[in-house]
Amino acid sequence: DTEVTQTPKHLVMGMTNKKSLKCEQHMGHRAMYWYKQKAKKPPELMFVYSYEKLSINESVPSRFSPECPNSSLLNLHLHALQPEDSALYLCASSTREADTQYFGPGTRLTVL
Amino acid sequence: AQKVTQAQTEISVVEKEDVTLDCVYETRDTTYYLFWYKQPPSGELVFLIRRNSFDEQNEISGRYSWNFQKSTSSFNFTITASQVVDSAVYFCALLGPHGTSYGKLTFGQGTILTVHP
Repeated sequence: DTEVTQTPKHLVMGMTNKKSLKCEQHMGHRAMYWYKQKAKKPPELMFVYSYEKLSINESVPSRFSPECPNSSLLNLHLHALQPEDSALYLCASSTREADTQYFGPGTRLTVL
Repeated sequence: AQKVTQAQTEISVVEKEDVTLDCVYETRDTTYYLFWYKQPPSGELVFLIRRNSFDEQNEISGRYSWNFQKSTSSFNFTITASQVVDSAVYFCALLGPHGTSYGKLTFGQGTILTVHP
C-alpha cells in the first residue's frame, strides 16, 4: 500500500486565520515532505522531516510552521497567510531521505 | 547544481498515437536516481518509475516504456497507443543521494499531455 492521505482536500481561509494541514502515512516511512505547487509549475520543496526531526527548511516564511508529532503524521500550521500563498500543498513520504517519494492528493488552499 | 529540462511544454495527440516525452538532466553526482511522475487534473502526483544511474536497462510496463541514455543524459518516456486517460502533466525528476542535494527532488517544468478522442 503506497498511500499518503491529506486533509482537508480544500481550504479557504482569511489572512488572519489559523489553520492546519494534515498528512498521514502508514507505510513505515521515516522521511516526510511538504511541497508547495503553483498552477502550471513543478512542486517546490518546503520542509523535510527525517526520523521525526526537521532535516531541511527551504527558507520558508515563519507563517508556515511544520510539525511531526510521530513517524506517521505530519502537520503544517498556517498563520497570517498572504493571498500569494494560495496553492496546492502536497505531502510526500519515503522510506528514508534520498529514496522514492510517494505523494498524497494534496490540499488546495485559497487565501482571501 | 542539478537541473532537469523538459523542453516540451505541451503535447497534443489523438488517441492511439504514440508519444514520447523528453527529459534531459544535469548533475555532477556519479550516483543519482531519475523519476517520472504523472499529475492528472485531480492533483495527485503519481509515481511511475525510478531509474538508478548505474542501471541503463530500458524498461517497459504495459503501454509505457522508458529509455535511459547516460551518454546523452536523457531519460525519455514513451506512451504507446495513447488513451484519453493519459492526459496529465508529466514530470521528470532527479534525486541526488549525496551532498547538498541529499533528499531533494529536482523537477523539470513538466509536459502537459492532452490526448484527444
